[in-house]
Amino acid sequence: DTAVSQTPKYLVTQMGNDKSIKCEQNLGHDTMYWYKQDSKKFLKIMFSYNNKELIINETVPNRFSPKSPDKAHLNLHINSLELGDSAVYFCASSPPPQGRLNYGYTFGSGTRLTVV
Amino acid sequence: GQQVMQIPQYQHVQEGEDFTTYCNSSTTLSNIQWYKQRPGGHPVFLIQLVKSGEVKKQKRLTFQFGEAKKNSSLHITATQTTDVGTYFCAAKNLQSRGGSNYKLTFGKGTLLTVNP
Repeated sequence: DTAVSQTPKYLVTQMGNDKSIKCEQNLGHDTMYWYKQDSKKFLKIMFSYNNKELIINETVPNRFSPKSPDKAHLNLHINSLELGDSAVYFCASSPPPQGRLNYGYTFGSGTRLTVV
Repeated sequence: GQQVMQIPQYQHVQEGEDFTTYCNSSTTLSNIQWYKQRPGGHPVFLIQLVKSGEVKKQKRLTFQFGEAKKNSSLHITATQTTDVGTYFCAAKNLQSRGGSNYKLTFGKGTLLTVNP
């Protein structure tokens, strides 16, 4: 019973291609996120959705387009892949913040994207 | 934007030695979370601190939130090889409103290696 599942786990593709990563959570959380982790392990937020509504779009190139068909799913489509897009992409979910209180994120196992 | 500085970047210890990682912010934080990421794995939520001066313990792990809510630490007593991984803090600015309320900024992490 994987709480946050991402597919695929590995993705190797050529520059210029378009690819998608899918994420699903069965925790009943309203909020989902995409994070990018570079080779130095730095975790940077890309997008956040709350109940299918875009909440955070963190200066990510237009080539990246998230889609949330329902609150249990948050997919990431990437157009015209570049070498610099190579990274591990993590999906995460949590309940929405309550005032000053945030809730811990549950992360998926990640998608290692390699652009060649 | 919000920055959270985490030190040290790396720490290598002998099994049985203690370990501490520190997280510092120039602004007052609303709350701070700690995560552990095993090599090749995904971040796993450990704990959240909310109150000024708060101290929480989980077995050999002790988490502290500074009185001014600008810094935090994670201390591991008598490290074991199972403690190996990268420890991240993640925090939200006290002034966060709207969409920023959903945004946790991650520190760059401290990679702990343990020599058996």
